[in-house]
Amino acid sequence: DAGVIQSPRHEVTEMGQEVTLRCKPISGHNSLFWYRQTMMRGLELLIYFNNNVPIDDSGMPEDRFSAKMPNASFSTLKIQPSEPRDSAVYFCASSLGTVGFNEQFFGPGTRLTVL
Amino acid sequence: SQKIEQNSEALNIQEGKTATLTCNYTNYSPAYLQWYRQDPGRGPVFLLLIRENEKEKRKERLKVTFDTTLKQSLFHITASQPADSATYLCALDRGGSQGNLIFGKGTKLSVKP
Repeated sequence: DAGVIQSPRHEVTEMGQEVTLRCKPISGHNSLFWYRQTMMRGLELLIYFNNNVPIDDSGMPEDRFSAKMPNASFSTLKIQPSEPRDSAVYFCASSLGTVGFNEQFFGPGTRLTVL
Repeated sequence: SQKIEQNSEALNIQEGKTATLTCNYTNYSPAYLQWYRQDPGRGPVFLLLIRENEKEKRKERLKVTFDTTLKQSLFHITASQPADSATYLCALDRGGSQGNLIFGKGTKLSVKP
C-alpha cells in the first residue's frame, strides 16, 4: 500500500487566495483526520470523518475552513480566504476506526505558506 | 479539558545510553496512550500503544510505562543510537465516546555518537 497520500506537498499563496489541500487515505480505512502543526501549538486536530461523515469539526478554526469527504478514497480541506496565520503544516491521517486504540497513519503533510 | 505536557522540549544523550521521555496529563485518565515518532519533514509514525490496565509495554528497544496515579507515561529507548534522533509525541484519547487523539508538543531527542 502506498500509505496516505497528500497533495500538494508545498503550497505558497498570497493572502486572500483560496487554498485546497487533498488527501487519499489508506484503502479500507474508514476514519480520516485532518491536523494542523505549528511550533507554537503543536499538532491540533481540525476535523475527522467516519465512513465519509464529519463527526467532530470543533477544531476547525473558523468559517474560512471547510472540509469534505465525497467518497471513501478522497478528502479535501479548503481555506477561503487564506491568511498569513494559516501558515502551517497540514497533515491527513487515516485509521481503521474511530476508536482511539487504533493507530493513525499519517501522510507526509502539506506545508502551507500564506504571504 | 485534557492537557498534555511533555516536559522536555529537547533531550540530548550519548549513544548507548537509555533515553527516558516523560508525558504528563492533567485531567481524566485516558483509556489508552500512544507514542509516535516524527522525523523532520515527515508525518508522525506510530510506535506503541498502552492501555490503562497495562503498566508496561515493550517492543524491541522501546518500553512504555503508564502510571494512572501519577498521571504519567514514560517512554524509554535502551541502547540508544544516532538513528533514534527524532521528535517523539505522546497522544491520549479525548475521552467519552470520541476516539480521536490529543497530541503533546513532543520532545526532540538527539543521540550523539
